[in-house]
Amino acid sequence: ILNVEQSPQSLHVQEGDSTNFTCSFPSSNFYALHWYRWETAKSPEALFVMTLNGDEKKKGRISATLNTKEGYSYLYIKGSQPEDSATYLCALPGSSNDYKLSFGAGTTVTVRA
Amino acid sequence: EAGVAQSPRYKIIEKRQSVAFWCNPISGHATLYWYQQILGQGPKLLIQFQNNGVVDDSQLPKDRFSAERLKGVDSTLKIQPAKLEDSAVYLCASSRGLAGAYEQYFGPGTRLTVT
Repeated sequence: ILNVEQSPQSLHVQEGDSTNFTCSFPSSNFYALHWYRWETAKSPEALFVMTLNGDEKKKGRISATLNTKEGYSYLYIKGSQPEDSATYLCALPGSSNDYKLSFGAGTTVTVRA
Repeated sequence: EAGVAQSPRYKIIEKRQSVAFWCNPISGHATLYWYQQILGQGPKLLIQFQNNGVVDDSQLPKDRFSAERLKGVDSTLKIQPAKLEDSAVYLCASSRGLAGAYEQYFGPGTRLTVT
């Protein structure tokens, strides 16, 4: 089981503003990193699965970067909209042989209109 | 494609009672997971199946929790007897494969309240 930390725990952002938050993890034995978005009363939804150091992924106004050497990933939301309000979870398997995902506690984003 | 189905969505029981949750994964997904998410924490894996075999149940409290995956498709998770600390959201997920780089598809969860 990995120690996965997400910061901040919560943030409030004005509609139209951009924001970002962090997922930190042990840099040894890195295999993959998952980002999920969990809106209230809905199912968690996969955003990205990242495997390569320096990787950048983008989905609409949401993007993510990965630094496996220093053990962090950033998630960015550009031009936040009310529908971006959700809890964003990151998760990692222990290794290539340990498939269990260890989740962080999440960052809860509230976009104010 | 249809998503992961779970039922019930909500359940309230008294401590020491029993409860069961049902999950139907995405068709063709061999791997199925049950997670427990306590308020303020990230989801914690309880058990992972590959087809109808258990891959990992190291975090399942086996004195009170049990799970099975019938014919490698549907799955049920049971708690008997429930404790107050079992109050949580129980998530079922499925994926195409076992490796940790496969994205997981989640159901809407069952919110359990134990009083």
